[in-house]
Amino acid sequence: DAGVIQSPRHEVTEMGQEVTLRCKPISGHNSLFWYRQTMMRGLELLIYFNNNVPIDDSGMPEDRFSAKMPNASFSTLKIQPSEPRDSAVYFCASSSAGGTEAFFGQGTRLTVV
Amino acid sequence: AQSVAQPEDQVNVAEGNPLTVKCTYSVSGNPYLFWYVQYPNRGLQFLLKYITGDNLVKGSYGFEAEFNKSQTSFHLKKPSALVSDSALYFCAVRVFYNTDKLIFGTGTRLQVFP
Repeated sequence: DAGVIQSPRHEVTEMGQEVTLRCKPISGHNSLFWYRQTMMRGLELLIYFNNNVPIDDSGMPEDRFSAKMPNASFSTLKIQPSEPRDSAVYFCASSSAGGTEAFFGQGTRLTVV
Repeated sequence: AQSVAQPEDQVNVAEGNPLTVKCTYSVSGNPYLFWYVQYPNRGLQFLLKYITGDNLVKGSYGFEAEFNKSQTSFHLKKPSALVSDSALYFCAVRVFYNTDKLIFGTGTRLQVFP
């Protein structure tokens, strides 16, 4: 298995533009997490899906952020409109049922100018 | 509130010496505990976990961790540090009480000097 795959690896966009980050979890995993990492706030859990259903989105910072999981093999995190303070590394992680460890993708480094 | 604390921002140790990276947690119910490592410009890599059973768990690259329920701690240890162990280490807890979240500490940067 190729592991969790995120795209793009790097994204530079102008303030006000829409940004879409993509994640392909490990096949067979039924839990998916989106995290944001910054120097100031560390690793923040944004949203968690179980069996493609959003379970807890209390970490989503604002209405500008939205996440979807249309099927078991794909998830997106969208920011519309983007702002400079959204600049961070965004990670996707997946895990199998039963509370095992999560496996992380390589992350998307987002820069909003 | 569910939380994980890593009290040290950075730990410095000489190569060959033992290392300890500290972690304490505060959760309701029985926790599932994890350690991850992050190298520059990379994602987090799983090192080891405690679910149940023996309080001393062994993981990748010679690392081990000791679960202490009374002290609510899960410290990461290695008997002999390598320069290549230098990285950012995260403690995490998976919480199932009324939710299902994987919560991370703030991270501890380990620097091993030759």
